[in-house]
Amino acid sequence: QLQLQKSGPGLVKPSETLSLTCTVSSGSISNSDYFWGWIRQPPGKGLEWIGTVSYSGTTYYNPSLKSRVTISIDTSKNQFSLKLSSVTAADTAVYYCARQDITIFGVIITYYFDYWGQGTLVTVSS
Amino acid sequence: SYVLTQPPSVSVAPGQTAWIACGGDNIESFSVHWYQQRPGQAPVLVVYDDRDRPSGIPERFSGSNSGNTATLIISRVEAADEADYYCQIYDNNNDHPWVFGGGTKLTVL
Repeated sequence: QLQLQKSGPGLVKPSETLSLTCTVSSGSISNSDYFWGWIRQPPGKGLEWIGTVSYSGTTYYNPSLKSRVTISIDTSKNQFSLKLSSVTAADTAVYYCARQDITIFGVIITYYFDYWGQGTLVTVSS
Repeated sequence: SYVLTQPPSVSVAPGQTAWIACGGDNIESFSVHWYQQRPGQAPVLVVYDDRDRPSGIPERFSGSNSGNTATLIISRVEAADEADYYCQIYDNNNDHPWVFGGGTKLTVL
């Protein structure tokens, strides 16, 4: 069973950079069939897609966060990482990492999040 | 970016059927995926590609997608089904390709 284990601090100061890493076990992050994504959920609110990285390092970012987000992949460590710079209280949220599987119907391509890591609250506060 | 609209809440008695809607412009042109999120837990994929179930998800969970509305259907609702449910699509013609609906709180009466 694929597992995703997230690591990183639970408290970040305003204006600093939030850094999280997701380690994948019982599966290879180099598998070209999958993408790897970050999603967050502010307290009491819904899910927000942050960004996605492919096995080859191609990245896709939420336009509202693009100027502050960097997602990278390290296939040698079976990990992918999130960096969010210049954080404010609005970035306080539970952050999740997840695997994205793909289905192709002719010309229609779709991705869904089939395995999720356990989220932990990251609080932005001085 | 593409917008998915869900009702904030749906209530149903145990043993009955729950329908949770997800609205979007011509949503039938997309594959819709559904997630269940119990309090304090990570989301779990319950339906993908409109109507398929991952292994381990009960047959009580199904879906449909037509016109401007996709629907998650939960038959013979149980107390354990009480949770938040989110729909999601992938739009590869958009700079915000992965979109979630706002979520629906299912209450089992």
